[in-house]
Amino acid sequence: GESVGLHLPTLSVQEGDNSIINCAYSNSASDYFIWYKQESGKGPQFIIDIRSNMDKRQGQRVTVLLNKTVKHLSLQIAATQPGDSAVYFCAEIMNSGGYQKVTFGTGTKLQVIP
Amino acid sequence: GAGVSQSPRYKVAKRGQDVALRCDPISGHVSLFWYQQALGQGPEFLTYFQNEAQLDKSGLPSDRFFAERPEGSVSTLKIQRTQQEDSAVYLCASSLGPDYSYEQYFGPGTRLTVT
Repeated sequence: GESVGLHLPTLSVQEGDNSIINCAYSNSASDYFIWYKQESGKGPQFIIDIRSNMDKRQGQRVTVLLNKTVKHLSLQIAATQPGDSAVYFCAEIMNSGGYQKVTFGTGTKLQVIP
Repeated sequence: GAGVSQSPRYKVAKRGQDVALRCDPISGHVSLFWYQQALGQGPEFLTYFQNEAQLDKSGLPSDRFFAERPEGSVSTLKIQRTQQEDSAVYLCASSLGPDYSYEQYFGPGTRLTVT
């Protein structure tokens, strides 16, 4: 299948190590932020979200940190597994004319080395 | 239950041909989105439907792009007189409704190659 991750920044991590993927966003008025995982040949899949009034949220093996001062998001994946290999996108969500518009950022390709 | 499905999965078109891409959203989902994803890029918003109403088409790149959802379920994205720059993956997503637009479920996409 096609390579979603072509030309994207790549993070290579040893299996079992923790991964940190970073994202800078542009709009300080965004209401929500979401991290998506996209495997080759598939659509983006929701991982975790965080409201703009929070600075940290934890899920299963994943943690998202939000720093509104510098408009920075990070996704931490604990004990990275080969199945985590994919392209990861952060996205900003804003109310726009009665619905919530999703704007995707630049992705990062995560390669897990067995 | 079934997720969002898209057809065809792959489409090769000669420059100048018209193409039609189909999206079957999750049953009962009011909101439907189309995105364009160029190779190595994040998805970019094209258009939004709430039931059969197209409420936002600000992302459509030119008047060659047209989308419809006549009965509020299946949607079709049509591209007329395709150009090479139209080559991309076209993603469809649906959500329960406008208050849940951030909870979008994506289909696998249609990869369009214009030669």
